Amino acid sequence: AQSVTQLDSHVSVSEGTPVLLRCNYSSSYSPSLFWYVQHPNKGLQLLLKYTSAATLVKGINGFEAEFKKSETSFHLTKPSAHMSDAAEYFCVVRPVASGTYKYIFGTGTRLKVLA
Amino acid sequence: SQTIHQWPATLVQPVGSPLSLECTVEGTSNPNLYWYRQAAGRGLQLLFYSVGIGQISSEVPQNLSASRPQDRQFILSSKKLLLSDSGFYLCAWSGQGDGYTFGSGTRLTVV
Repeated sequence: AQSVTQLDSHVSVSEGTPVLLRCNYSSSYSPSLFWYVQHPNKGLQLLLKYTSAATLVKGINGFEAEFKKSETSFHLTKPSAHMSDAAEYFCVVRPVASGTYKYIFGTGTRLKVLA
Repeated sequence: SQTIHQWPATLVQPVGSPLSLECTVEGTSNPNLYWYRQAAGRGLQLLFYSVGIGQISSEVPQNLSASRPQDRQFILSSKKLLLSDSGFYLCAWSGQGDGYTFGSGTRLTVV
């Protein structure tokens, strides 16, 4: 069975310091992986996606993530946090299996950025 | 380009009243459509998904129903709302493996 685990429910960083949001997945197949961001009372916005091309994926707003098959991880990073990065972040896996339309969402990591 | 519209943005309804939330997609055909609910302090829960007109799959037993009367229209309904139906409802669409595109959400408060 496929699953995704976000290891931290809350992360706090100071403005200007690096961000690391951790995500591990479990999949029998080579999955597609995504990171989404949600600001309060807003829909989810796609940050970046991995679909079996380059293992280092660059997204919007300076975020990037690296697919590590040996570690079954897809951690999200940003070199320098900005106040506007404060939001909830979801790691998502799309199991690569026939007839699968249901993506699997992590439970989310709430990022707080301190001034 | 593809866009997704979801309305209303906020809704306050009394217990026992009906519900209708609408979602439409533009710029694509035959999308997969989804309704998710996000309760306070909890993750996203898939309620329904549809791969075509009239084709609805329900993920959890509940007080809600969904319909897809047109290719790019997805409706979430209830005949009688419960307090536990309160939450943030999100519509989304997907193509073939490119991830979801979400609507802006509806905040439903049942009082």
